[in-house]
Amino acid sequence: KQEVTQIPAALSVPEGENLVLNCSFTDSAIYNLQWFRQDPGKGLTSLLLIQSSQREQTSGRLNASLDKSSGRSTLYIAASQPGDSATYLCAVRDQAGTALIFGKGTTLSVSS
Amino acid sequence: DAGVIQSPRHEVTEMGQEVTLRCKPISGHNSLFWYRQTMMRGLELLIYFNNNVPIDDSGMPEDRFSAKMPNASFSTLKIQPSEPRDSAVYFCASRLGVKGAPNTGELFFGEGSRLTVL
Repeated sequence: KQEVTQIPAALSVPEGENLVLNCSFTDSAIYNLQWFRQDPGKGLTSLLLIQSSQREQTSGRLNASLDKSSGRSTLYIAASQPGDSATYLCAVRDQAGTALIFGKGTTLSVSS
Repeated sequence: DAGVIQSPRHEVTEMGQEVTLRCKPISGHNSLFWYRQTMMRGLELLIYFNNNVPIDDSGMPEDRFSAKMPNASFSTLKIQPSEPRDSAVYFCASRLGVKGAPNTGELFFGEGSRLTVL
């Protein structure tokens, strides 16, 4: 059964720092991996989608990488801002199923 | 596009009452998912529809939970009777399955329905 783990569970950084959020998954046979952002009391906003054939995706200050063989993905946030404060969730769609399986998220706090 | 629309946004009810949550997926999307989010367990898949047909309901916790998708633009999740342990945020999400690669589409979520059962 696919399991997704995100470390750390919480992270606090000062504004301007570059940071990395980690995601690991137990079964490397995946279709794709998706990173989401969730603000308190809100739904999930899709940030980046990486297909299994891709190594990375970039959007603005965000860069997500995928290493299928080791079952790992990272989300890199450059020059962090207070507006980046949110919970970041990683999810994989594996070849055994059709729905996304989620990690429990990393809650990021960026102080000004 | 308005995105995935869910109603109600908040529901407070008493144990034993029936609860119906509603979802309108993004127009043209052919897959719809119901998830439940709690602090303890995170996001859990309840049920998944493809072209209005339930495909995987293995995540539905008990017979008290049921879901329907009568047409491509509407789905309901019903809990009858509700219990305090059903308190959670229920999310609906939709996806456009790409022909030849049905599992590679991006998933879009609604704002969720926060349910409190007293």
